[in-house]
Amino acid sequence: EPQLVESGGTLVQPGRSLRLSCTGSEFLFDDYGMHWVRQAPGKGLEWVAGLSWSSRTIGYGDSVKGRFIVSRDNSKRSLYLQMNSLRREDSGLYFCVRGYLGGDHDRGAFDMWGRGTTVIVSS
Amino acid sequence: SYILTQPPSVSAAPGQTATITCGGTNIGDKVVHWYQQKAGQAPLLVVYDDSDRPSGIPERFSGSNYGDTATLTVSRVEAGDEADYYCHVWDGTGDRRGVFGGGTRLTVL
Repeated sequence: EPQLVESGGTLVQPGRSLRLSCTGSEFLFDDYGMHWVRQAPGKGLEWVAGLSWSSRTIGYGDSVKGRFIVSRDNSKRSLYLQMNSLRREDSGLYFCVRGYLGGDHDRGAFDMWGRGTTVIVSS
Repeated sequence: SYILTQPPSVSAAPGQTATITCGGTNIGDKVVHWYQQKAGQAPLLVVYDDSDRPSGIPERFSGSNYGDTATLTVSRVEAGDEADYYCHVWDGTGDRRGVFGGGTRLTVL
């Protein structure tokens, strides 16, 4: 069965860095746009970042632009999120999400979600 | 940046119809997707491209989009439909951002 599995979430101090990873299986990972969506405790969904299948197009949410970097390695079927200058408000559950088949990153729905990895930013 | 507005809560009795709205300026010119999130679970796509359903999603879930409002309709509501529902669009500006509505809690009475 196709799935996405996230890893890398942990407790980290404000101002530090953290790298999240996501591995896809049982589908053609390198054909799809991929994204990170987060959810603070008790709050709604927030799109964090995404990139097209080829990494040709990339986008970031306002709250993370300039601090986070999204990337992928199709040979490893993996998506990454480099999180720098972390703030308390970055705490939450980070979902790896499959996007559009082919094309640019900002098209289509999110049709597959991982279970998420938890990031806690606290001193 | 583009803003999507959803009512915080909606309720319906079993067998009735629940209507969840998603408001945005000229949202009818955009493509809207809807997700269901049950407690403790990852979101699930229930409607995409305004009104299409993924495989496995019951016909009771339907969507429409016109003018300044997109709507998710859940017909013949069941207890298992109790969840948070989120609308989602791409804002279409130069920054190419994804946007979610604030979410609506559907309570089955």
